Amino acid sequence: NAGVMQNPRHLVRRRGQEARLRCSPMKGHSHVYWYRQLPEEGLKFMVYLQKENIIDESGMPKERFSAEFPKEGPSILRIQQVVRGDSAAYFCASSPRLAGSQETQYFGPGTRLLVL
Amino acid sequence: GEDVEQSLFLSVREGDSSVINCTYTDSSSTYLYWYKQEPGAGLQLLTYIFSNMDMKQDQRLTVLLNKKDKHLSLRIADTQTGDSAIYFCAESLPDGNTGKLIFGQGTTLQVKP
Repeated sequence: NAGVMQNPRHLVRRRGQEARLRCSPMKGHSHVYWYRQLPEEGLKFMVYLQKENIIDESGMPKERFSAEFPKEGPSILRIQQVVRGDSAAYFCASSPRLAGSQETQYFGPGTRLLVL
Repeated sequence: GEDVEQSLFLSVREGDSSVINCTYTDSSSTYLYWYKQEPGAGLQLLTYIFSNMDMKQDQRLTVLLNKKDKHLSLRIADTQTGDSAIYFCAESLPDGNTGKLIFGQGTTLQVKP
């Protein structure tokens, strides 16, 4: 059973470009979480999705950021018109059902975004 | 409010015990977790404890929870150089049942041979 997959592992963008980060959850997991880790900080929650639904986007910046988890295919975190402050590691986690119960979140290796 | 605090750095000698501490502010936490992050890698779940427990032991790892003081600790017995990493504590809140995790800023554990 493959773990959570994220790609690309490293992404370099110039200011103003778009960044697309992909996350394939573990097989059988229908809940996806995105977190951002700024340099030398802990992870901050961004968004929680189930298939075709955004459940909680309270941690997502209001502008330029969007997320989706379509019926088929990976979850996508999209950052439009990137700025240097978007440089961070973006982690995806998946869970088979509601986390905080007996199951928990399993993390992918992350995508390290560098904005030049 | 939601806040999780950790000391930033801990250095121990190989073979000694390591104790990493964490405090949190929200008394409604349901589960508390310890994750390990090696350089350039994702987070590996080490262990977790339900909030109505005081202690959990798993091989070299012992988790202690003092709910009154909102204090969580991770003890690693017989610390090895391979344990060198950043350790994050995290809490899960019942907050609308979204299950999002609130992380501390991480404790860097350095194990000297």
